Amino acid sequence: GAGVSQSPSNKVTEKGKDVELRCDPISGHTALYWYRQSLGQGLEFLIYFQGNSAPDKSGLPSDRFSAERTGGSVSTLTIQRTQQEDSAVYLCASSLGQGFRYTFGSGTRLTVV
Amino acid sequence: AQSVTQLDSQVPVFEEAPVELRCNYSSSVSVYLFWYVQYPNQGLQLLLKYLSGSTLVKGINGFEAEFNKSQTSFHLRKPSVHISDTAEYFCAVGDFSSGSARQLTFGSGTQLTVLP
Repeated sequence: GAGVSQSPSNKVTEKGKDVELRCDPISGHTALYWYRQSLGQGLEFLIYFQGNSAPDKSGLPSDRFSAERTGGSVSTLTIQRTQQEDSAVYLCASSLGQGFRYTFGSGTRLTVV
Repeated sequence: AQSVTQLDSQVPVFEEAPVELRCNYSSSVSVYLFWYVQYPNQGLQLLLKYLSGSTLVKGINGFEAEFNKSQTSFHLRKPSVHISDTAEYFCAVGDFSSGSARQLTFGSGTQLTVLP
């Protein structure tokens, strides 16, 4: 597609439920990043995929968070047993190769009630 | 690890007035600097970037920023703002010194509100 696509755009879930957030990067972009944007705060790095290399998971806040990237394209961020503090906008970005020319998606706004 | 400080969380300014959004970062040997803009319910768009060369960088929509290594600052400026510039602005730093260029460190953002 022309840009980075994220779905759903909004998700309301009950505390304790699992959620899956999807990111469809720009075709051909080998690098994919997940960030979390909490209210009044900057973007917090979560995880980075580059080609077939092992992902950099150093930003994941707890073992309830996981992500995978299938076939070097679509990525899914999974949050298990959601907590209220998980409420945030989750942003995905992709880039061609390793570097800083990111294209961001519009994000998924997650609300845990 | 890098850190980025945006000194003002909210900046109200009247239309056609000049504006400066401040950004300071922790010192490092090799840094790349960025400003992103986020309009409501949208992703981040790159405004401008400093990679090397001239310390005055011009971006889209009439914005510019100046890299000041001695003050570790990268302030964003526009001489005359429009209502349509109302958005949140994020400063970000990429650190190449470790050889890992895999992530940006973002500031907490500055909400620019342009008043009629």
